[in-house]
Order: sequence, then structure tokens, then C-alpha cells
Amino acid sequence: GEDVEQSLFLSVREGDSSVINCTYTDSSSTYLYWYKQEPGAGLQLLTYIFSNMDMKQDQRLTVLLNKKDKHLSLRIADTQTGDSAIYFCAESIRGGSYIPTFGRGTSLIVHP
Amino acid sequence: ETGVTQSPTHLIKTRGQQVTLRCSSQSGHNTVSWYQQALGQGPQFIFQYYREEENGRGNFPPRFSGLQFPNYSSELNVNALELDDSALYLCASSLATGTSVKETQYFGPGTRLLVL
Repeated sequence: GEDVEQSLFLSVREGDSSVINCTYTDSSSTYLYWYKQEPGAGLQLLTYIFSNMDMKQDQRLTVLLNKKDKHLSLRIADTQTGDSAIYFCAESIRGGSYIPTFGRGTSLIVHP
Repeated sequence: ETGVTQSPTHLIKTRGQQVTLRCSSQSGHNTVSWYQQALGQGPQFIFQYYREEENGRGNFPPRFSGLQFPNYSSELNVNALELDDSALYLCASSLATGTSVKETQYFGPGTRLLVL
């Protein structure tokens, strides 16, 4: 199976919170990332979390990490139409030169 | 804006041809990684260069090769192009100090390659 799994689509109403979920398989993961990709563009690093942390908050973004279940989530508060994009979860391990392994991405659609 | 630039933005080639894609790293970064992103997929790691030497390689055949120059810019070369090589090719730069590679990679906008 895939090393990093994400659901493919999420649709939310503008102003609501979005929660994008991800599961990973490598228990030696050191860093876990969330990237955003807008149509026709490269990847923008949104945030990352060290594996010894449970939570990280950065303005409208909250990352939760459950190491026991190997589950990572990204919550976007007050979702705006500009948040519509594909969101990639990725993991990397120290022994792998921090090269991230990406999921297939979750397409977030924000409608008025 | 990450400071990582790639050229060209778009490219059309035919099967069997060769292609060279270019990347300029963010200022101060000495490590470059290349990824292939097929339509509807996440990026797949091709290889990484550090101090002008290959520093790791993903599951790609030898016809995918690269170079890193003294100014840390980089090239990705693909020989004998196949239809399945059609994808977005992303370059990412990062900073390595000694044997430790910093955890954050910054991506360029990518080069979209279409092979006919």
C-alpha cells in the first residue's frame, strides 16, 4: 500500500473549518509536512511538525499528530475561497536525508 | 515566492527525444532535489544533488540524469523520452550543513513536459 494516504476530495462552505486527514506508515518518520499546490503552480510549504510534537498552530492552521495511530491532520479555520487547492501530506525520516514522501493530495473545494 | 526558479515553464517533445530542464536554487541553499509529478499524483523523488554530487536517488531509470553546478543551480536531463514522462517536474532547494540536511525544502513552480 501507499506510504502516505489521504482522501482525494473535500468540499466545504466558505467560513467553515476544513479538516484534511492523512495516515502514514513509517514509524521512524521524523518530520511531517503539509504542502499546498494551487492550479498550475509548484508546492508551497504551509507548515511542518516534528514527530515529538502533538500539535502546532500557525494563524488559521492547526496541525495535529497522533503518533500511535500514525495520523496527521490539518485544520484550516474560517476557510476562504483562496484556500481552494490541493493539499499534500508528506513524511520524511532523518536517515533518508529528509527526502519527503508525498501522498496523492487532497483537493479542497471551497464554495460560497 | 520561494526564490527557486525553473525554466522553461512548458515544453513539448516527441518520443525518443532528449530534454534538459533547469533550476536555480534559493539564495544560500546548497542542495537541490528533483521530483516528477504525474497528473493526479503526488511528487515522486527522482534524485538529490549536494555539492555537485548525487546524494540519493529514487526509483527512476538511468536515462534520468542530473548535474549541479558550483553556483548550486541544477539541470535534469531525460534521454529517450517516453509518453509516460509527461509530467510536471519540480525542483526543490534546501540547505545542508556537514552531514545534516535541513528539513525544509522550497519548491520552484515546475516545468510542465508533454511528450507526444
